[in-house]
Amino acid sequence: AQKITQTQPGMFVQEKEAVTLDCTYDTSDQSYGLFWYKQPSSGEMIFLIYQGSYDEQNATEGRYSLNFQKARKSANLVISASQLGDSAMYFCAMRGYDYKLSFGAGTTVTVRA
Amino acid sequence: EAGVAQSPRYKIIEKRQSVAFWCNPISGHATLYWYQQILGQGPKLLIQFQNNGVVDDSQLPKDRFSAERLKGVDSTLKIQPAKLEDSAVYLCASSLEGQGNYLNEQFFGPGTRLTVL
Repeated sequence: AQKITQTQPGMFVQEKEAVTLDCTYDTSDQSYGLFWYKQPSSGEMIFLIYQGSYDEQNATEGRYSLNFQKARKSANLVISASQLGDSAMYFCAMRGYDYKLSFGAGTTVTVRA
Repeated sequence: EAGVAQSPRYKIIEKRQSVAFWCNPISGHATLYWYQQILGQGPKLLIQFQNNGVVDDSQLPKDRFSAERLKGVDSTLKIQPAKLEDSAVYLCASSLEGQGNYLNEQFFGPGTRLTVL
């Protein structure tokens, strides 16, 4: 079974600054995928970025980058140049051999003008 | 391309009543998921369908929850009778492929917010 831990319940960030959201995971699977989703107040889950466990390069998608440290079992999300529209709940998730998507408890990000 | 559709968006019922949620996945998506998201938590998978067959329902409380996906397209999730602890957002998601691909991006609907009084 996989376990995802997000230790930051909430974070404030100033507009145009970068913010790092922490995620650690626990699994015995050798091969797995790591995901980050954004959930605005409207409720839908929006896929942001994916990192495969055997990918050597850290994933990047526009202003999102994933800081993957396999030995530490961490997959932190970095949002650069924060915008007001980035205010939302962010979830780290993982898929292992059973192909189930397991989510962490989430981090609420509030961007201040 | 239209996204995943869900209805209703909000539902308020009293305990012991029954309720049903509907989901229409993205056209052509073989796999459909129902998640339960309790306030302050991440989504938890309730059931996964591949076409109209159940792949995983290990976390579905089968004494009160049921789900079906007739004809491999739309799906309905039912709760009967509802309990206070069923208050949550119920998310439907769909993906193009089944298992075998770790990426297998899931597209989520807007969810149905259920309040049980």
